[in-house]
Amino acid sequence: RKEVEQDPGPFNVPEGATVAFNCTYSNSASQSFFWYRQDCRKEPKLLMSVYSSGNEDGRFTAQLNRASQYISLLIRDSKLSDSATYLCVVRPNTNAGKSTFGDGTTLTVKP
Amino acid sequence: DGGITQSPKYLFRKEGQNVTLSCEQNLNHDAMYWYRQDPGQGLRLIYYSQIVNDFQKGDIAEGYSVSREKKESFPLTVTSAQKNPTAFYLCASSIADRANEQFFGPGTRLTVL
Repeated sequence: RKEVEQDPGPFNVPEGATVAFNCTYSNSASQSFFWYRQDCRKEPKLLMSVYSSGNEDGRFTAQLNRASQYISLLIRDSKLSDSATYLCVVRPNTNAGKSTFGDGTTLTVKP
Repeated sequence: DGGITQSPKYLFRKEGQNVTLSCEQNLNHDAMYWYRQDPGQGLRLIYYSQIVNDFQKGDIAEGYSVSREKKESFPLTVTSAQKNPTAFYLCASSIADRANEQFFGPGTRLTVL
């Protein structure tokens, strides 16, 4: 089993739809969680950090469930520009500096 | 402008040759990382360094080597021992704290012919 697993996708949704991605992690001692966005053939860029209390940034909402060891990303009112691959990232609770990336979930928003 | 740069963007090499990928940052970050990404897959950690003159192996270090002689620079050498070197290589840096995000360079696409 992989340390970080994501919904395999791809997700194909119409503009304006709400879409949710899940990501599960196996290390219960994990401390920090992030969602990155990666456009085709580009580098990943931070979309948002995920806090224990959940957090929202405009149309994006991230949730953390430590008991079930998963994080989620909800995108409301999808735009064409949201089409990308979304990577889940988990970091340990030590200063080892070693992040683990999921394989990503690809989202395509269609007109 | 502060940022992280990688060069070259595209690199072609013959099988059996060593090649060095450049990564430079002027963000004053202590930690730097090298990842490899294959098509349809996530990033896999090759090496990372939390401080100058120190580095640790990641999950797939075999066939690669690094150095960290300066805070700003973390070059990666892909040696002839790496069996499948063709991939997208990404360098990243961060403040040396587990809660902080990593900033990525634009990547180098290496193709071994």
